[in-house]
Formats: sequence, C-alpha cells, structure tokens
Amino acid sequence: KAGVTQTPRYLIKTRGQQVTLSCSPISGHRSVSWYQQTPGQGLQFLFEYFSETQRNKGNFPGRFSGRQFSNSRSEMNVSTLELGDSALYLCASSPDYPDTQYFGPGTRLTVL
Amino acid sequence: GQQLNQSPQSMFIQEGEDVSMNCTSSSIFNTWLWYKQDPGEGPVLLIALYKAGELTSNGRLTAQFGITRKDSFLNISASIPSDVGIYFCAGQSSTIMNSGGYQKVTFGTGTKLQVIP
Repeated sequence: KAGVTQTPRYLIKTRGQQVTLSCSPISGHRSVSWYQQTPGQGLQFLFEYFSETQRNKGNFPGRFSGRQFSNSRSEMNVSTLELGDSALYLCASSPDYPDTQYFGPGTRLTVL
Repeated sequence: GQQLNQSPQSMFIQEGEDVSMNCTSSSIFNTWLWYKQDPGEGPVLLIALYKAGELTSNGRLTAQFGITRKDSFLNISASIPSDVGIYFCAGQSSTIMNSGGYQKVTFGTGTKLQVIP
C-alpha cells in the first residue's frame, strides 16, 4: 500500500503571501490530521478532518485553515504568511478514530 | 501547545550499547505511540501500545505502556548506526461525541540519538 504523500516537499514564500499544501492519505484512510513542526515548539496539532468535516482543531490562528475532499485528500491553507510560519508541515492519516496515525514526509515551508 | 515530558533530550552512545528513553504526562492516555524521525522526513511509527502494562517488541525495540497510563518507555538494544535520529513519544486520547469520536494526539519533545561507530 502506498504511504501518505504530501506535495510540494519544499516551498519558499514571502511574508503576506498565502500557501496551499496538499496531502493524499493512505488508501482507505478517512481521517487526516495536520501538524506543524518547529525546533522551538516541536510537533503541534493543527486540525483533523474526517469525511470532509473538521472534527478537531488545535490552537492556531484563523489564518490556518483546511479542507477535505470526498476522496479523503486534504489541503491546508495558510493566508497572510508570517516569518514564524516557517516550519515542516506534516500530514497524518488513519482509518478512523481511534486508529494509529501514519505520517507523510512533510512539506518544508520557508517564509522570507 | 501541550507537549509530553520526554527524556533524555539527547544521547550519545557507542554502537552496540542499549538505550532507554521515557515519556511522562500529567494526563491519562488510551494509547502510547513511539515514532522515529530522520532529518527532513516525517515520523515513522515504531511501536503502538494500547493497554496499560502492555510490553511490546519490534525487533531490537521494546516499549511499555505504564500502569498509571501516564507514562511509557522505549528501549533499543544493541544500537547500530542507523538508529540515529529523533525519537518521539505520543499519547493518544479519544473523545466520544454524539456524532462519533475523534482522537487527540500529543507529542513528546523528542530524544535525539547519536550512535558512535
């Protein structure tokens, strides 16, 4: 079975721009979660989607949003980028609650 | 955001030595997970623990789910150079709602392991 895939792998943006990241879960997995990883804050939960609905949300500002499509693929959007948004953004999928999550390779976002 | 207390933060060991790291929390979890992350990659699941007291092995790796459900440890025996990386613990709790349930995963701060050949 193919693993979780994320595109693009690397992205460079400037402050004020917006960005969209994509995640394709493992086939058959309906739950997709997004995480931000930085050296200072570690792995922080952003949100989780299941059947196109956001079920759970972390403590991030409204500039961070996401959605899930009927094929379980998910996108994450960050508007009005700030320097502090530079991070590795990870997507993880699982069949459903409370199954174990499997991570993708991440998208490395650099904001200049 | 919330993180679990994971120790040690980093370790330098000789190839062939055994390694032990642990995670503690003030909260109870239903599941404990251990991941390994290589630079520039996503975490890879090593071991999942589902019951308090459970001891599970995966090759040279052994992990245990603490009796109190607030801690877990991971042991690596006979370390080899490819064990180098950052190891994360994660506690998973589940919430039941009328519309179904969802899980919340909290990660540890990570243990950076360096193996000297």
